[in-house]
Amino acid sequence: DAGVTQSPTHLIKTRGQQVTLRCSPKSGHDTVSWYQQALGQGPQFIFQYYEEEERQRGNFPDRFSGHQFPNYSSELNVNALLLGDSALYLCASSLGLGEQFFGPGTRLTVL
Amino acid sequence: KNEVEQSPQNLTAQEGEFITINCSYSVGISALHWLQQHPGGGIVSLFMLSSGKKKHGRLIATINIQEKHSSLHITASHPRDSAVYICVCRGWGGGSNYKLTFGKGTLLTVNP
Repeated sequence: DAGVTQSPTHLIKTRGQQVTLRCSPKSGHDTVSWYQQALGQGPQFIFQYYEEEERQRGNFPDRFSGHQFPNYSSELNVNALLLGDSALYLCASSLGLGEQFFGPGTRLTVL
Repeated sequence: KNEVEQSPQNLTAQEGEFITINCSYSVGISALHWLQQHPGGGIVSLFMLSSGKKKHGRLIATINIQEKHSSLHITASHPRDSAVYICVCRGWGGGSNYKLTFGKGTLLTVNP
């Protein structure tokens, strides 16, 4: 079992660009949650996907959007990137509301 | 005041010491998670508990729902235990929704 995987591992973008991050859940999991972790801070909940729908959302602007595919994998899209979007983006998967397992993260740098 | 408070913020110990990290919360919860985050970002879920106590190897997690308090204990600490430990509270929500609230983490350094 590969566990939760994320791609890419690192990414550099410039302000105003758009970015797509990807997450494959642990085998058997159907729920994917996304988190943003700024340097030196704890993770902040962005949103959660279940059955291809956004089930719960944190306090993030509409520039942050997502998608879940029939195979439960998920994408996080961020439009009109700002310098403040530089962070580690973590994906976690679970079976329903069960224990969450985290991926290694994607480190996004916005210049 | 944060809804989830961890203490201490930083903890330095000598190898072999018994370590306790505390988490107090002010919200109603359905479950509490303890996470471990190593330098570089990788997060590992250590425990999810809603009552009582769980043990895994040298790690023990306890929760007291009435007192809204949880503790993470590490016995016979080792330098490889050096990491940030994060307490996460899962609240109640309508239907299948819930909210996760993260503590700010406790940075543990275990010296050889």
